[in-house]
Amino acid sequence: AQSVTQLDSHVSVSEGTPVLLRCNYSSSYSPSLFWYVQHPNKGLQLLLKYTSAATLVKGINGFEAEFKKSETSFHLTKPSAHMSDAAEYFCVVSDTGNAGNMLTFGGGTRLMVKP
Amino acid sequence: DAGVTQSPTHLIKTRGQQVTLRCSPKSGHDTVSWYQQALGQGPQFIFQYYEEEERQRGNFPDRFSGHQFPNYSSELNVNALLLGDSALYLCASSLGGGAVETQYFGPGTRLLVL
Repeated sequence: AQSVTQLDSHVSVSEGTPVLLRCNYSSSYSPSLFWYVQHPNKGLQLLLKYTSAATLVKGINGFEAEFKKSETSFHLTKPSAHMSDAAEYFCVVSDTGNAGNMLTFGGGTRLMVKP
Repeated sequence: DAGVTQSPTHLIKTRGQQVTLRCSPKSGHDTVSWYQQALGQGPQFIFQYYEEEERQRGNFPDRFSGHQFPNYSSELNVNALLLGDSALYLCASSLGGGAVETQYFGPGTRLLVL
């Protein structure tokens, strides 16, 4: 079984300050982990993914995430927030025990960026 | 290179009716998954199709059914619509079904059931 918990439903930062979106996962097998972003009235866009290679994963738009197996965490960070980063962010897990590659989504974190 | 496309973009139905949603995968992809995203929630997996067979299914009733065609496009059918079926329905495509494969999402079909 696999599950994801996003620890904050809302995060508010000022433009130019760091962003931290927290995610914990549960997986019976070796997980693949993803972060997706959803802008209002838009589809889901992949930010980055972890698939058992380097534990520090770099994604698009300056985002990165670190896989920590001992803490079962996959937090998303960005050094400096931009107004265009305001969106809903989803942490997602897919484990190798699946017959297919079903994705399990967290509840989402809404990121607000203040000018 | 066309991404994942879905039709229609919006749909309004009444309770008890039936609806069909359509999805064309990204070029070169052979696997299609469907997700339901209720307002304010994360998407939930409905089912996945590969080689025209349902390979994996989430916790959704039999009112939800699907089909995959030889060209890999897919349909999602929902019978006997309930008010609670109102949601954004997302289609995602990938190459094969490995857990490491990235799923690419379409813009979704927003269904409103009155």
